[in-house]
Amino acid sequence: ETGVTQSPTHLIKTRGQQVTLRCSSQSGHNTVSWYQQALGQGPQFIFQYYREEENGRGNFPPRFSGLQFPNYSSELNVNALELDDSALYLCASSNTGELFFGEGSRLTVL
Amino acid sequence: AQSVTQLDSQVPVFEEAPVELRCNYSSSVSVYLFWYVQYPNQGLQLLLKYLSGSTLVKGINGFEAEFNKSQTSFHLRKPSVHISDTAEYFCAVNPQGGSEKLVFGKGTKLTVNP
Repeated sequence: ETGVTQSPTHLIKTRGQQVTLRCSSQSGHNTVSWYQQALGQGPQFIFQYYREEENGRGNFPPRFSGLQFPNYSSELNVNALELDDSALYLCASSNTGELFFGEGSRLTVL
Repeated sequence: AQSVTQLDSQVPVFEEAPVELRCNYSSSVSVYLFWYVQYPNQGLQLLLKYLSGSTLVKGINGFEAEFNKSQTSFHLRKPSVHISDTAEYFCAVNPQGGSEKLVFGKGTKLTVNP
């Protein structure tokens, strides 16, 4: 059984660019959640997808968007990147209430 | 809305000493409570969770936590720490019946010194 995998692990972008982060959920998990973890902070909930539909959203602007595919993998897209978007982006999958986290994608915006 | 306060940002201890990492929460509804550990350059791993029942919860790696409803606390404890316990620890809450949308504290950095 493979766990949650995220790609890329690290990337560097400049202000105004767009980024796509990817997450493969753990086998059998139909729910994927995305969190942003800024340096020295706890993770903050961005949004959650359940069976390809958005199922809740945190306090993030519309330039943060996502998708979930039929195989339950997911993408996080961020448009018009800002310096404050620099963070570790964590994906978590679940099926019965417990979240299983990937190792994250570290985004640096210059 | 829920919020979580981790009272100590850093906790240094010596190896084999006991440790307590403090967590208080606020919520207008009943909540589920969690502790996660994050090792450097890794994701989060669940240590333990309180959903209902016994207020003393045992987790992995010898950690335990006690839910205190009157004090709205969920402190994490270990009687004897190891060097390998050095990591960041996060307390989190989720409203009961919610769909796994966790609210995290800012974390406590535990450093175990030889």
